[in-house]
This record gives sequence, C-alpha cells and structure tokens, in this order.
Amino acid sequence: NAGVTQTPKFQVLKTGQSMTLQCAQDMNHEYMSWYRQDPGMGLRLIHYSVGAGITDQGEVPNGYNVSRSTTEDFPLRLLSAAPSQTSVYFCASSPPGTGNTIYFGEGSWLTVV
Amino acid sequence: DAKTTQPNSMESNEEEPVHLPCNHSTISGTDYIHWYRQLPSQGPEYVIHGLTSNVNNRMASLAIAEDRKSSTLILHRATLRDAAVYYCILRGYNQGGKLIFGQGTELSVKP
Repeated sequence: NAGVTQTPKFQVLKTGQSMTLQCAQDMNHEYMSWYRQDPGMGLRLIHYSVGAGITDQGEVPNGYNVSRSTTEDFPLRLLSAAPSQTSVYFCASSPPGTGNTIYFGEGSWLTVV
Repeated sequence: DAKTTQPNSMESNEEEPVHLPCNHSTISGTDYIHWYRQLPSQGPEYVIHGLTSNVNNRMASLAIAEDRKSSTLILHRATLRDAAVYYCILRGYNQGGKLIFGQGTELSVKP
C-alpha cells in the first residue's frame, strides 16, 4: 500500500514550458486535490475532484489544468510555466465524507526560471 | 468558506503538555474540525478530528467547546519530534469536503 505517490519530486522548468505533475493513490479514494505551498505560507487549494470525471476549482486555479479519468490518478498540468508558479505542490486524497482523514503525498518541488 | 484563527507561534518545553488553541466562530453544524501538522520539508500529516465531542487518539486529544466556536489540540507530553506547524481546519459539506488551510501555529519545543 503506497498511499499517495507524487512524481517528480524535483523539477526545474524554463518560463513558458509546460509539464504535468503526476499523482496516484491506491486507496480507492474518491476525493483528490492539489495544493501549492509558497515559502512561509500555508497550503492553498488549486483544484479538487470528488470522483472520476468531476473536477472543480479551488482558491488559486489560474495557470493550472486538471482531469480525472480514473479514480486512482489526478494529474496537474502547468500550461505555460511562470516564475510565480515556483512552489511546493502537494497532492491529497480522501474517502468521501467530511469526517474522514485526508492523506497527503510527499510533495513536488518546482522551480521556474 | 468557514475560517479558523490560530496564534502564529507557540513555545513549549520538552515533556510538558501543550495546548494549541483555534477559534472558528463561523463554524456550521456539519463542519468537522480537523487538525494536521507539517514537519519541515514534508507533507501535512493527520493528527486528529472531531465534530462535537472531545476526541482522544495515540497522538493527541481534541477538546471542543460546547458552542463549537473554538477547540484546543492537546499534546500531552511534547517531544522534540512534535516541533511542526499545526493547522486547524474546518471541513464541511458545503465546500465539497475540501480543506482550506490557514497560516497555522508554528510550535517549537525546547529541550
């Protein structure tokens, strides 16, 4: 049981490049989400999904796309990377219901130069 | 979205109890109170959660005020490994069950 797996762990991008951060969970959780964390700040919600085929925007969705074609995977796409997207990205998953624990991945460190 | 308010930082001595407060005056009846902590360079880690009654687990206790407008996370004997940022979060059905993080409380533990 691997939990929530994020790849890559570290990535350097040039401004304007695109890339996809991968997130996979093996717990059959319906709820998945992506957060970003800037230095000295709390986590901010980018996008979330309550099940396959269903996604919605969080607090800071601009510049990011998501899709949820399977229960297990929830990739985050950066369309045209900007230095302001330099951050640590965390993927999370949870069973449905607000009384359930949310499990986080170990994070992906992204630098845009 | 319902908001929480926590002190920016707190200090504790090793092996002493720690009480981390959280105010959530706009909590709705179906919002769960969740606590997570984040160690340096790691993802957030679940600590405890509750709805109305006080809760205990192997990591901590959660004391919830009778009007549910505040709660306190209690670490019974702080260790150096408990030094982290602690987040108090409300999770409700009207937000799609999502977690909205605040700034959290940075706990430092002195030996």
